[in-house]
Amino acid sequence: GPKVLQIPSHQIIDMGQMVTLNCDPVSNHLYFYWYKQILGQQMEFLVNFYNGKVMEKSKLFKDQFSVERPDGSYFTLKIQPTALEDSAVYFCASSLLTNYEQYFGPGTRLTVL
Amino acid sequence: GQQVQQSPASLVLQEGENAELQCNFSTSLNSMQWFYQRPGGSLVSLFYNPSGTKHSGRLTSTTVIKERRSSLHISSSQTTDSGTYLCALEPGSNYNVLYFGSGTKLTVEP
Repeated sequence: GPKVLQIPSHQIIDMGQMVTLNCDPVSNHLYFYWYKQILGQQMEFLVNFYNGKVMEKSKLFKDQFSVERPDGSYFTLKIQPTALEDSAVYFCASSLLTNYEQYFGPGTRLTVL
Repeated sequence: GQQVQQSPASLVLQEGENAELQCNFSTSLNSMQWFYQRPGGSLVSLFYNPSGTKHSGRLTSTTVIKERRSSLHISSSQTTDSGTYLCALEPGSNYNVLYFGSGTKLTVEP
């Protein structure tokens, strides 16, 4: 089936540094999402994105977070600066349109030291 | 508040037994997705099920909107079915967010 790719699979970073997580969504999809899962906890919605804009974000999407998809390339999640509580697995998803199935990538495990 | 309640939290079966996993939701439903989460964390999509019953091999998903529930049935369980199963609700009021259940950790013993 359709595949979403995420790069890198693991990232270790010192607190206070910037990190960018990359997502390669399904090629014809128009809606993009980020979810966060802290180890052993529930998966939670962070943000969705359509037509170059954030449509909705949760309270977990702090001011230090930003998303973009420049010129149809990777859909990125940037955290600047990182904090210890940002350690988690971040999952990217995409869907063709609203009200369609979301396809998930394999996740990026972020460790903030 | 919690939009979706998943049960049981954990389940231990002997190989060959059947499993019934449940998700109950308190809001209007556009669709329910079911996932298998591998021990390493990656997700395997099992079903996208707005309503009714869907089958895939030994797996069956049933969503009953009026009763605000969705279930995942695993027949003739195998040790390789062990892992965590997640349901995710897409509310009728907001198509662009999935609310995940807390998961069912399934262990199938030989």
